[in-house]
Amino acid sequence: NAGVTQTPKFQVLKTGQSMTLQCAQDMNHEYMSWYRQDPGMGLRLIHYSVGAGITDQGEVPNGYNVSRSTTEDFPLRLLSAAPSQTSVYFCASSYSSRVSTDTQYFGPGTRLTVL
Amino acid sequence: KNQVEQSPQSLIILEGKNCTLQCNYTVSPFSNLRWYKQDTGRGPVSLTIMTFSENTKSNGRYTATLDADTKQSSLHITASQLSDSASYICALNSGAGSYQLTFGKGTKLSVIP
Repeated sequence: NAGVTQTPKFQVLKTGQSMTLQCAQDMNHEYMSWYRQDPGMGLRLIHYSVGAGITDQGEVPNGYNVSRSTTEDFPLRLLSAAPSQTSVYFCASSYSSRVSTDTQYFGPGTRLTVL
Repeated sequence: KNQVEQSPQSLIILEGKNCTLQCNYTVSPFSNLRWYKQDTGRGPVSLTIMTFSENTKSNGRYTATLDADTKQSSLHITASQLSDSASYICALNSGAGSYQLTFGKGTKLSVIP
């Protein structure tokens, strides 16, 4: 198993540009989520999904869109990038959306800079 | 507001020594508490998950303890190795069916020869 994969590893955008961060998992996990990690702050939940076709907002959803058309993929779209979205983005997944003690597996992260 | 506070912010120890990292929380209700290890430039990796009814859980040289009365958890690392150099993050899940974890800012541990 490759686990949770993310692409790209690094990205530089200009203000106003849009882009999609890719996330995929090959473990048949129900639950997938996106976090951002900023210096001096804990990880914060952006959006999550409890299965294909089902998504919901987390703590900091503004400026981001998600969709979940398959179990494996959970892309994160930045609609119009802003410097405040400069961050490291992590995708995570866990087997069940019903068991809160399931282990969450994190991807390697995408480091995004918005100029 | 639910909060997770970790201390110290950073710590330097000699290889082979033990250390203890602290996590204080105000999350309520509370379902489970997790400790993660995050190497520089990598994603967090789960070390332990404890429910509110458990007060200790081990994973090799890592032992997490939980005192739900005082709302404190600690992560004890025994016989530290250079590869233990990383950030250690505490996170809480607030309730059954809740998918939102509240994360602390982490403790940066450096193990030196």
